[in-house]
Amino acid sequence: EAGVTQFPSHSVIEKGQTVTLRCDPISGHDNLYWYRRVMGKEIKFLLHFVKESKQDESGMPNNRFLAERTGGTYSTLKVQPAELEDSGVYFCASSQDKVYGYTFGSGTRLTVV
Amino acid sequence: KQEVTQIPAALSVPEGENLVLNCSFTDSAIYNLQWFRQDPGKGLTSLLLIQSSQREQTSGRLNASLDKSSGRSTLYIAASQPGDSATYLCAVNGNQFYFGTGTSLTVIP
Repeated sequence: EAGVTQFPSHSVIEKGQTVTLRCDPISGHDNLYWYRRVMGKEIKFLLHFVKESKQDESGMPNNRFLAERTGGTYSTLKVQPAELEDSGVYFCASSQDKVYGYTFGSGTRLTVV
Repeated sequence: KQEVTQIPAALSVPEGENLVLNCSFTDSAIYNLQWFRQDPGKGLTSLLLIQSSQREQTSGRLNASLDKSSGRSTLYIAASQPGDSATYLCAVNGNQFYFGTGTSLTVIP
């Protein structure tokens, strides 16, 4: 089966611009998660979708971040406007059920200059 | 709030040596624990998944143990190889998925 796909793999944008990251989960996985790792820190949870609904968005840092999952398939994470501290690697993961563990994508490395 | 700690932060060993990576967590109310490997510039590759009811899991040269009551897991790598060089991450699955900061492993040929 195809894994979790993320794109772009890298993005370099200027402060104040908008960037949209995309994640395609494994087909049939209702659970989709976004995580990010900023320099030198551990990977941290951002939010969790069950199908198209936001189950838990307690990790979203502020209202400059907007995640959507229309139709319960792929998800987008938009950062608008981007700030320097948003730089990091954004990971997406999907799961059929948490007892089966998570499958992660390769991540999107975002650099805000 | 769950806190996950990995020790050591970095480890360098000669090829062929057996080694142990440690992971500790503060909240034992977990569904499972997963060990991942991350190569530079790459994503996370799942190595082993241990359910909360299990004590250990094995895959090839890797063996992971879980002691939920004491909040500890270890990843044992037998007969290490240069290709094992990577960052190893422990993640605990409770109401959210919490990661440790990882152990950076270098296996010297």
